[in-house]
Amino acid sequence: DIVMTQTPLSSPVTLGQPASISCRSSQSLVHSDGNTYLSWLQQRPGQPPRPLIYKISDRFSGVPDRFSGSGAGTDFTLKISRVEAEDVGVYYCMQATQFPFTFGPGTKVDIK
Amino acid sequence: EVQLVESGGGLVKPGGSLRLSCAASGFTFSYAWMSWVRQAPGKGLEWVARIKSKTDGGTTYYAAPVKGRFTISRDDSKNTLYLQMNSLKTEDTAVYYCTREYNWNFDSWGQGSLVTVSS
Repeated sequence: DIVMTQTPLSSPVTLGQPASISCRSSQSLVHSDGNTYLSWLQQRPGQPPRPLIYKISDRFSGVPDRFSGSGAGTDFTLKISRVEAEDVGVYYCMQATQFPFTFGPGTKVDIK
Repeated sequence: EVQLVESGGGLVKPGGSLRLSCAASGFTFSYAWMSWVRQAPGKGLEWVARIKSKTDGGTTYYAAPVKGRFTISRDDSKNTLYLQMNSLKTEDTAVYYCTREYNWNFDSWGQGSLVTVSS
């Protein structure tokens, strides 16, 4: 199985300031069809996970444009341009290039 | 609007059994590939089981920790997904989420059903 790692595991941020989360996979996530199936999910306290981004950088419908994804191969980044109070929660990267899909350990974002 | 509603969770003793259900609406369930993903208390997400649509063969897949003990199934006439869990262990304690797999993503999630395995 592909192992996903994330750094940092905890990220205290100031409201209005940017935040960045890194995700690394144990092998390349480039699929044989040429796509890279790396997603990001947000889990607010007490809520189920919510998909944010797919294929590295495409936002799901309704996701604010302050969330952006980038990267290639084995290294990926989620950025929040200006953190708002509703962004508090745990963020997971997930690979869907190879089954079984696997998740990173999660990065907790909270307010300083 | 896609809706997934889990039910059937609860407290069970080690070695016991439980069946989770997931009622789906807002999309053509029979065409969907579905999965169960679990989250132990205070921990991360772990994929548990997957079932393809019947038109794609209805193939099932299981994570190593549950293989041989859990069975995923579907009833397309009832738009319902199931997870039969036997020989439960304390380490199976978790919130179990029903998810739809679409375009290489788990794009929809239920609210989850808590399963507690304890004596």
